[in-house]
This record gives sequence, structure tokens and C-alpha cells, in this order.
Amino acid sequence: GQNIDQPTEMTATEGAIVQINCTYQTSGFNGLFWYQQHAGEAPTFLSYNVLDGLEEKGRFSSFLSRSKGYSYLLLKELQMKDSASYLCAVSDSNYQLIWGAGTKLIIKP
Amino acid sequence: IAGITQAPTSQILAAGRRMTLRCTQDMRHNAMYWYRQDLGLGLRLIHYSNTAGTTGKGEVPDGYSVSRANTDDFPLTLASAVPSQTSVYFCASSEGEGTDTQYFGPGTRLTVL
Repeated sequence: GQNIDQPTEMTATEGAIVQINCTYQTSGFNGLFWYQQHAGEAPTFLSYNVLDGLEEKGRFSSFLSRSKGYSYLLLKELQMKDSASYLCAVSDSNYQLIWGAGTKLIIKP
Repeated sequence: IAGITQAPTSQILAAGRRMTLRCTQDMRHNAMYWYRQDLGLGLRLIHYSNTAGTTGKGEVPDGYSVSRANTDDFPLTLASAVPSQTSVYFCASSEGEGTDTQYFGPGTRLTVL
């Protein structure tokens, strides 16, 4: 079967750095997405990785290792507005997105 | 402002009733999707459409139907609602299929009693 694993919840302090991990087992791989979802709102796109390595975009970076079936999202200089759920999704062999349950990130002052 | 709209925002429905959730996008995207989101579970694909006139089944299609008569609209119909269909429903679109970024509508919160 296909499976995406993420921690259910994480807590971090304002101004700090946090790493949210995602491991996956899917039938095929055509890229991995990270989305942010604030409570009661729609998911919004953060990043896309298809090749191994680190992609940096401002305070957010995303890393992929295809051989390990592993990705992480790194958030730096945390702000209160970063309190949200972070969703990992993999595009499988049929180019359909398989979604993890999401990681709820709580930022404390 | 370009984007995706969904209607209604929320709805309480008696079991056995028929319900259509509406989704419209003005980005001229070819592909559209319907997902449901339940607490503790990831988004699950119900149906999708890669282009106007075509539709396909996702992971959890039973009890739902869709149509794609034109590029902009992608309604989702529950023929006879059941309590297990209580969920938040998101419509999304992407320029093409495959690895293009998906853009989501604001969601419809549906409660079936």
C-alpha cells in the first residue's frame, strides 16, 4: 500500500528553527509537495522537490532523499503566523497526490 | 481576483437527501479535483478531471459523482447522503495534470445527520 508518515504535532518557540519530517512509501514517485494549512482554511503551496537535495525559499527550505523515501521541511526564524498544519504529499506513478495526515505546528512566544 | 470558489460554505443535510457542491475556477486550468479532509487523515481524492469532458475516480469515489461540462465548473453530487460523508470538501485545480501545483478552494463543511 501507499503510505505517508509525518509527526502529528510539534511545538517550537518563536524565533527558533523547526524541522518537520516526512517519510513515504508509494507506487512510483513523481515529486513531493509541501503545503501549509491554517486552521479552517485551504491548503496553500509551499514547495516542490523532484530531485535530491535542498531547495531554499526565504525562511522555508525543503529537502528530499529519494533513496531513503524521506523529506523534511525546515522553517527558520519562526513567527507566530507559522502556526499551522504542514502537509506532505507525493505524486505517485499515476500522477495522483497521496497526502500525509499533516503535522500541526504550535508556535509559543 | 483569480481563484477557485466553492458553494455553499457550510451545509447541514438530512441523511438520504441529494446534495451538489459547486466549484468554479477562473484560471483556465485544465485539471480539477475533489478531496475530502477528515480529522487525523490526509486529504483523500474523490474524483478528478484532467480536462473538460473527462472524469476519473480517485481513492474514495463511492457515493459521489462529478461532471465536467466546461473548463470552469466541476460540481460534486452526493446522490443520497449518509453520515459517513460528513467532512470538509475541498475543490482544487492545476494547470495540467501530473506534477503541476494544485490550488485549493476555501472548502465546504458538510454535516450529514
